[in-house]
Amino acid sequence: GAGVSQSPSNKVTEKGKDVELRCDPISGHTALYWYRQSLGQGLEFLIYFQGNSAPDKSGLPSDRFSAERTGGSVSTLTIQRTQQEDSAVYLCASSFYSGETDTQYFGPGTRLTVL
Amino acid sequence: DQQVKQNSPSLSVQEGRISILNCDYTNSMFDYFLWYKKYPAEGPTFLISISSIKDKNEDGRFTVFLNKSAKHLSLHIVPSQPGDSAVYFCASQANNLFFGTGTRLTVIP
Repeated sequence: GAGVSQSPSNKVTEKGKDVELRCDPISGHTALYWYRQSLGQGLEFLIYFQGNSAPDKSGLPSDRFSAERTGGSVSTLTIQRTQQEDSAVYLCASSFYSGETDTQYFGPGTRLTVL
Repeated sequence: DQQVKQNSPSLSVQEGRISILNCDYTNSMFDYFLWYKKYPAEGPTFLISISSIKDKNEDGRFTVFLNKSAKHLSLHIVPSQPGDSAVYFCASQANNLFFGTGTRLTVIP
């Protein structure tokens, strides 16, 4: 069946440009997470959406990063004025969080390279 | 297609006993394996990792075993504590990071 999809799969951009990364979660999943993994490092939590609640933005590294989730489905992560240290793989995951289970399904990621 | 599989969505263990969490992968190119722990409504935190050149890595109560021929890894927690109750993700790396779907561990006091 259809899993979590992300686009683009690869993005190369120049320093200072803005980029938008898209995540299509599994239909019906109420929770959506954005993470990034920089080279040689573990997974870094960025932002979390749960239903209609205000998102948990505690992991966003700077105000250049923002994310929105329209209609409780598709999410876009925007990075403004990209810097070289933003280069990483950006992962999206969705789950049907019920308080009992939180099985997360990860997308394939978007590899962002900032030159 | 899921390249990393955690076939048990949940596991319950008595406090003090051993917890064994399993993970299978399909891609023989994976060269690094990680376990993450996740509490509800939070992001995963790194727990322990193992390189493909090893078959065991131990850190306190946590031990990860890697069986490359079977493409299988497991996380052992001993003794299990109630604070270990969380969702555990395994992940395998070859360029990108591929995650399993997680196993919810409940440690019963």
